[in-house]
Amino acid sequence: EAGVAQSPRYKIIEKRQSVAFWCNPISGHATLYWYQQILGQGPKLLIQFQNNGVVDDSQLPKDRFSAERLKGVDSTLKIQPAKLEDSAVYLCASSPRTLTYEQYFGPGTRLTVT
Amino acid sequence: AQSVTQPDIHITVSEGASLELRCNYSYGATPYLFWYVQSPGQGLQLLLKYFSGDTLVQGIKGFEAEFKRSQSSFNLRKPSVHWSDAAEYFCAVTTNAGGTSYGKLTFGQGTILTVHP
Repeated sequence: EAGVAQSPRYKIIEKRQSVAFWCNPISGHATLYWYQQILGQGPKLLIQFQNNGVVDDSQLPKDRFSAERLKGVDSTLKIQPAKLEDSAVYLCASSPRTLTYEQYFGPGTRLTVT
Repeated sequence: AQSVTQPDIHITVSEGASLELRCNYSYGATPYLFWYVQSPGQGLQLLLKYFSGDTLVQGIKGFEAEFKRSQSSFNLRKPSVHWSDAAEYFCAVTTNAGGTSYGKLTFGQGTILTVHP
């Protein structure tokens, strides 16, 4: 079974630029999560999708971050415009359904904002 | 609000020695507890989980953890550490209580494990 795929793996941008990350969850997984992991901290949930609907986006900075999961499969997370404090690893995870509580993580995208 | 504390930022052990990583949680509802491991440049891999039942749970790679409700702890242990265990370890908690916390993982800040030969 293929795991969670993410691209790109690394991205360097200047502040005020835009960036997008892509995630393809494990086939058949209905729930998809985006996390932000700042260096030296644990991952923090940004947004949770159930199929193509948003379940929780309470910690997503909506003035600059947006995410979508069209057709309930893959997802994109966008930052526009980026700030220095957005430098982090962005992790995507998926779960077969919410009740299982088990999340499977992708390798992450390391973003550096200069 | 739910929270997870891992008191040790960095632990160093010798290969073959025993290991215990501490995790304390603060939760109003029934907690579901997890330990994940993250190697450099990699995503998080699930080591083990506790939902209910036997409070001593076994995981992959020879790890185990014990849930102690009275101490709000879920410490990770391994009797004999291998050099390949060097990584960062995260404790996480979620709940089945419903609402916006349903299925949402809250992570500790992580413990970096260094293994000396």
